[in-house]
Amino acid sequence: QKEVEQDPGPLSVPEGAIVSLNCTYSNSAFQYFMWYRQYSRKGPELLMYTYSSGNKEDGRFTAQVDKSSKYISLFIRDSQPSDSATYLCAMGRGSTLGRLYFGRGTQLTVWP
Amino acid sequence: DVKVTQSSRYLVKRTGEKVFLECVQDMDHENMFWYRQDPGLGLRLIYFSYDVKMKEKGDIPEGYSVSREKKERFSLILESASTNQTSMYLCASSSQGQPQHFGDGTRLSIL
Repeated sequence: QKEVEQDPGPLSVPEGAIVSLNCTYSNSAFQYFMWYRQYSRKGPELLMYTYSSGNKEDGRFTAQVDKSSKYISLFIRDSQPSDSATYLCAMGRGSTLGRLYFGRGTQLTVWP
Repeated sequence: DVKVTQSSRYLVKRTGEKVFLECVQDMDHENMFWYRQDPGLGLRLIYFSYDVKMKEKGDIPEGYSVSREKKERFSLILESASTNQTSMYLCASSSQGQPQHFGDGTRLSIL
């Protein structure tokens, strides 16, 4: 079983929709959680970073971490065509020299 | 802003060649990483380094080696390139417990 599971999609939504992206994981030692956005032919860029459980909001983006269920989510409100990208979840443990464990990414298309 | 620079965006090499991919970061990060990214397989960790001259194998180190002689520079070496090493290669750097920052990748084709 892969340590981090993420539905690859593709996901296609109309402009203005609320998007929900999710990942599950198996290792309860993960302490910090990230979401990256990757546009075509570019490297992943950090979107959200949270430590331990709870919610974090940044503009139209909200990240949620539920450690009891080993489940993390990213919500995008009022989605825009510019949000069309691949979204990768990632998580790490403090003891692993900075190594992160990535989901395979969900491809999102927001159509006008 | 953190800057991770990969020396080439696109590279074409022949089978059997020795290939060097270079990565430089400007934030004095201890950790540096090399990944390959293939459709349907996601990001796979090849090697990483947590200090100068230190290296650790990732999940798919076979056919690759790395070099870290200076803190800011991390090189990935394909000892004898093969067609199954055609891929997008991504370099990243981080401080301990902090998110990784990525370069824009090198799209490598082995003919």
